[in-house]
Amino acid sequence: AQSVSQHNHHVILSEAASLELGCNYSYGGTVNLFWYVQYPGQHLQLLLKYFSGDPLVKGIKGFEAEFIKSKFSFNLRKPSVQWSDTAEYFCAVPSGGGADGLTFGKGTHLIIQP
Amino acid sequence: NAGVTQTPKFRVLKTGQSMTLLCAQDMNHEYMYWYRQDPGMGLRLIHYSVGEGTTAKGEVPDGYNVSRLKKQNFLLGLESAAPSQTSVYFCASSYLGPEAFFGQGTRLTVV
Repeated sequence: AQSVSQHNHHVILSEAASLELGCNYSYGGTVNLFWYVQYPGQHLQLLLKYFSGDPLVKGIKGFEAEFIKSKFSFNLRKPSVQWSDTAEYFCAVPSGGGADGLTFGKGTHLIIQP
Repeated sequence: NAGVTQTPKFRVLKTGQSMTLLCAQDMNHEYMYWYRQDPGMGLRLIHYSVGEGTTAKGEVPDGYNVSRLKKQNFLLGLESAAPSQTSVYFCASSYLGPEAFFGQGTRLTVV
């Protein structure tokens, strides 16, 4: 079965610090990988996605993620975080085929201190 | 475009009561999903639909029923609410692949 593991459940950083959130997956099919962000009180929004091609994927708001096949990882990075990046971040993979929905990691709660 | 709209946004139920959550999407998406979000658990799939008139069970379907009578709507029903169903419920839709667009969520409390 597909699964996703996020290593850090709570992360606290100061503004301008660099960010890396870990995500490892177990997935037997064509690799599609997603990072979603949920700002306080809001719905999930797609941050970035990997389907194929360049393993370094750039998303919105300065975020990027690197797909490393040999490590089954898709870590999220940002060189310099802002207070507005405070949110919950979820890594996800398809549950099965394209119609079966997504399997999410348990999430990382990121707090950025001014 | 409204995207994915959920109704209601908040609800408090007493144990044993029933209710229906409505999800509407205006993007002509084929696939629709209901997830629940619980602290420390991420999102878990309850039921999904791959098209009008079809439904299927997800990871945590017990205690819920769904219907998709119209392509744009996906209803989630709780026949007899239990405190364990206190959660935030998210509806999502996608065109024909895994990338999903989410609604604003419904915060349900069962007392």
